[in-house]
Amino acid sequence: DVVMTQSPLSLPVTLGQPASISCRSTQSLVYSDGSTYLHWFQQRPGHSPRRLISEVSNRDSGVPDRFSGSGTRTDFTLRISRVEAEDVGVYYCMQRTHWPYTFGQGTKLEIK
Amino acid sequence: EVQLVESGGGLVQPGGSLRLSCAASGFTFSKYWMTWVRQAPGKGLEWVANINQDGSEKYYVDSVKGRFTISRDNAKNSLFLQMNTLRAEDTAIYYCASGRGVSYWGQGTLVTVSS
Repeated sequence: DVVMTQSPLSLPVTLGQPASISCRSTQSLVYSDGSTYLHWFQQRPGHSPRRLISEVSNRDSGVPDRFSGSGTRTDFTLRISRVEAEDVGVYYCMQRTHWPYTFGQGTKLEIK
Repeated sequence: EVQLVESGGGLVQPGGSLRLSCAASGFTFSKYWMTWVRQAPGKGLEWVANINQDGSEKYYVDSVKGRFTISRDNAKNSLFLQMNTLRAEDTAIYYCASGRGVSYWGQGTLVTVSS
């Protein structure tokens, strides 16, 4: 199975400051069709997960533009340009290039 | 507005069975793959199973193969997960989600396997 490793696992951030989460996979996530099926999710406390970004860098509808995704093959990053209070929660990366689809362990973002 | 509403969770003894349902609305259900993802208490997310648009393709994570069955009824915009021979480690919130890209999620239904 493809293992997704996120870092850091805990991310204390001051309001208004940037934040960055890394996600690394044990295999290239480039599919045979040329697409890279790496997605990012946010799970606020007590809520269901919500997809933020699909296929590395495509923001979902309604997602603030302070969220951005980048990366290639096995190395990916989620960035928040200026953290707001509503960004508190756990962030997960997920790959669906290889079956079984797998998630990272999650990164808990909190406000300092 | 896309809505996914799960039901059918509850407390069951080890070795027992449960059938989860997910009622979908706000999109053309029959055109999308559908997915079940679970989350054990205080833990991360685990992909459980998915099914293609007409139900002819189904995929399962190894830990549930032979015990869980995913199915759908496109006429009723519904997704199902039949769970048999349940184990303590199956205890989790089970989420229904749309597409293989899991773009939309339901609120989840809690399954507790305990004697």
